[in-house]
Amino acid sequence: GQSLEQPSEVTAVEGAIVQINCTYQTSGFYGLSWYQQHDGGAPTFLSYNALDGLEETGRFSSFLSRSDSYGYLLLQELQMKDSASYFCAVRDSNDYKLSFGAGTTVTVRA
Amino acid sequence: NAGVMQNPRHLVRRRGQEARLRCSPMKGHSHVYWYRQLPEEGLKFMVYLQKENIIDESGMPKERFSAEFPKEGPSILRIQQVVRGDSAAYFCASSPNTDSRYGYTFGSGTRLTVV
Repeated sequence: GQSLEQPSEVTAVEGAIVQINCTYQTSGFYGLSWYQQHDGGAPTFLSYNALDGLEETGRFSSFLSRSDSYGYLLLQELQMKDSASYFCAVRDSNDYKLSFGAGTTVTVRA
Repeated sequence: NAGVMQNPRHLVRRRGQEARLRCSPMKGHSHVYWYRQLPEEGLKFMVYLQKENIIDESGMPKERFSAEFPKEGPSILRIQQVVRGDSAAYFCASSPNTDSRYGYTFGSGTRLTVV
């Protein structure tokens, strides 16, 4: 099976930078994804890393180190609307489903 | 296309009743996944289906729970003889294939409350 660990909550002010770390254990790795969920609504896909390195998409970037079984999501120029829960998820190469972490609640203060 | 449609949004059932949750995937998506979420927790995988086939049901309890994705119509998650512990948000997601690069598209979920 898979297991993922990420911090339960992070608080920061508008304009700041937040890094959400995720460590994972899986028998066969097939990529690390990040999802955002506002107030229990529909989770939305943010990013995907299959290879080592940094992927940048606007204010959000995601990083992966396969040798360390570690990744992070970087939120820059924080805005109030970024207050949400963020989940990392891995897919095992032996099956097709995504397994999610417990989520990190990000609270952005004025 | 309105995305992944789930209904009902909210469902209240008494203990012992049956709950039927429906999910219509995005147009062109033939892969459907059901997840369960308790408050302040992550998404727990339940079942993965393609049209008329259950591919992986390793996360679904063996008793009382079943899922289907018929050739025509929405995917259905069925919970028989519900108990209070079944109260949760149930999310459906769809994808066009098994390539993770483009992610899953999730519906808004069904909040099941068992009283």
